[in-house]
Amino acid sequence: DTGVSQDPRHKITKRGQNVTFRCDPISEHNRLYWYRQTLGQGPEFLTYFQNEAQLEKSRLLSDRFSAERPKGSFSTLEIQRTEQGDSAMYLCASSSGLAGYNEQFFGPGTRLTVL
Amino acid sequence: GENVEQHPSTLSVQEGDSAVIKCTYSDSASNYFPWYKQELGKRPQLIIDIRSNVGEKKDQRIAVTLNKTAKHFSLHITETQPEDSAVYFCAASIEDKIIFGKGTRLHILP
Repeated sequence: DTGVSQDPRHKITKRGQNVTFRCDPISEHNRLYWYRQTLGQGPEFLTYFQNEAQLEKSRLLSDRFSAERPKGSFSTLEIQRTEQGDSAMYLCASSSGLAGYNEQFFGPGTRLTVL
Repeated sequence: GENVEQHPSTLSVQEGDSAVIKCTYSDSASNYFPWYKQELGKRPQLIIDIRSNVGEKKDQRIAVTLNKTAKHFSLHITETQPEDSAVYFCAASIEDKIIFGKGTRLHILP
């Protein structure tokens, strides 16, 4: 499969626990993005990477959220001390990063439920 | 920062009729405007996009128009079919950061 993949697809956790999600972008895509989508809303930008460098973080990304892309390939998103308000679909996307090629390809998402 | 408004939130059209979804954006520096279709339980998928140096783009039954002066852009779907039923998101992008509208749920009525 040459598309964006995410793992796990579903995660149920208790409030206060830590969770970590993984995203594998399309091979050789330089840019990787994380979004959060709640029911009835559009995806909300969280952060993005150019290779291993984290270039921008949204105000939505509180101190409990951290994202990494250590080798410029896959990325992880960790949420510490989860809260019920963190329940959402977490989407990852990647793009080539080449000038004039903006299309972002989305993964299937990780649905987080915090009890 | 950029803000994207999308209307209507819900749209029902008879099969075969046209559907129009309208969006506005706030940041005149936005230069890329993609439209995504999201079916229930699926990932968003790009259906068409337009850049700020173009006023209109068409791909079969789908067309997008952009008015940079008014900061408006619209999606037009002609000859709608049942498989067009989905949620559609407009978006505006500055330097690859995409800001999405809240979506339009399109229902195609038989």
